[in-house]
Amino acid sequence: TQLLEQSPQFLSIQEGENLTVYCNSSSVFSSLQWYRQEPGEGPVLLVTVVTGGEVKKLKRLTFQFGDARKDSSLHITAAQPGDTGLYLCAGAGGNTGKLIFGQGTTLQVKP
Amino acid sequence: SQTIHQWPATLVQPVGSPLSLECTVEGTSNPNLYWYRQAAGRGLQLLFYSVGIGQISSEVPQNLSASRPQDRQFILSSKKLLLSDSGFYLCAWRDDWVYNEQFFGPGTRLTVL
Repeated sequence: TQLLEQSPQFLSIQEGENLTVYCNSSSVFSSLQWYRQEPGEGPVLLVTVVTGGEVKKLKRLTFQFGDARKDSSLHITAAQPGDTGLYLCAGAGGNTGKLIFGQGTTLQVKP
Repeated sequence: SQTIHQWPATLVQPVGSPLSLECTVEGTSNPNLYWYRQAAGRGLQLLFYSVGIGQISSEVPQNLSASRPQDRQFILSSKKLLLSDSGFYLCAWRDDWVYNEQFFGPGTRLTVL
C-alpha cells in the first residue's frame, strides 16, 4: 500500500517567516501534486512535479521533487496571511490516475 | 475551459435516510471521475472512481455506492445514511494522462444527525 507522510500537521507562524512542508514515502511516484485548500472549498492545484530533482517556483513558493521521486517539499518564503490554508501533497502511480494524498498541513500565518 | 459542479453545497439528513449527491463536468469528454471524502482539516480518502459510463471501481467497503449514467455525470448514493457518513465530499475529474492532475469541485458538506 502506498502512503504519503506529510509533516508538520500544523504550523502557526508570523508574517514574514519562512517555512517548509515535507511529503515522504517509501514508494516511487510518477508525478506529485501540491494543492491548497480553503475551508469549505475544494482543493486547488498549485503545481505538478514529474522529474526527479525537479524544482518549480510559483512566486514565493518553491516546490522540489526528490531525486528518487519518493519525496517532495514545499518552501514558502516570507509567508503572508493570504498563504493561510490547508496544503495537501498527492502522489500518482499506475495507470488509473489514482492519487494518494498526504494527511495535510494546516498553515496559519498571523499578521 | 473545463468546469466541475457539485450539488447540493450543504445537506443535513437524518440517520437512515437516502442520499444522492451529483457531480457534473463541462468542457471535456470521457474524463476519469473520482469521489473523495475528507475529514475536517485532513487528507482525502478515495471512495470511487470511474473511467467511463457505467464503469465504477470501489476503493473501500462502505455504506455508499456510485453511478455514472452519462459521460460527464457522477452520482454518489446511499440507501440508508449512517452517522459516520458525515463529512465533506469532493468530486474530481482528470483527463491528463501524463501528469495525473486532478481538478476538484467545490464539495458538498454532509451532516447526518
